[in-house]
Amino acid sequence: KAGVTQTPRYLIKTRGQQVTLSCSPISGHRSVSWYQQTPGQGLQFLFEYFSETQRNKGNFPGRFSGRQFSNSRSEMNVSTLELGDSALYLCASSRGTSGRETQYFGPGTRLLVL
Amino acid sequence: AQSVSQHNHHVILSEAASLELGCNYSYGGTVNLFWYVQYPGQHLQLLLKYFSGDPLVKGIKGFEAEFIKSKFSFNLRKPSVQWSDTAEYFCAVNARSGGGADGLTFGKGTHLIIQP
Repeated sequence: KAGVTQTPRYLIKTRGQQVTLSCSPISGHRSVSWYQQTPGQGLQFLFEYFSETQRNKGNFPGRFSGRQFSNSRSEMNVSTLELGDSALYLCASSRGTSGRETQYFGPGTRLLVL
Repeated sequence: AQSVSQHNHHVILSEAASLELGCNYSYGGTVNLFWYVQYPGQHLQLLLKYFSGDPLVKGIKGFEAEFIKSKFSFNLRKPSVQWSDTAEYFCAVNARSGGGADGLTFGKGTHLIIQP
């Protein structure tokens, strides 16, 4: 079974630009969560989508948004990029949303904002 | 909001030594508890998880963890570590709400180095 895939793997943007990251979950998984990982703050929850609906949202500004498609693939968008948005963005998928399911993580997209 | 503290950021052990990594969380309600591991060059993967029942849970590769509710702790243990256990270890929590749960809150991680 193929794992969680994320594209692109690396990205360089400049301040003020916007970026869209993509995540394809494991086949059969309907929940997709996004996390930001930085050396200073560690892993922080961004949001979770299930059946095309955002179920949970972390404490991030409105510049961070996401969506999920009918095939469970998900995208996250960051508008008006800031230097502090440089991070590894991880996507994780799971079967459901009970909170007990194992989340399977992808390799991440490393974003550098200059 | 809940928070997770991992006491040791860096741990260096020799092979065959015993391991205990501390994890404490702050949340008054019912939680699900996890330990994830990231081996060099690999994705984050689940080591073990606890929801209810026996507070001593066993995971992959000989790891186990004990949930002590009164101490809000979920420490990870392994009786004898191997060089291949060198990795970053993350404790994580999500709080149960209604029929589901919120997103995972992670600790800052413990970088474990096993010397041959």
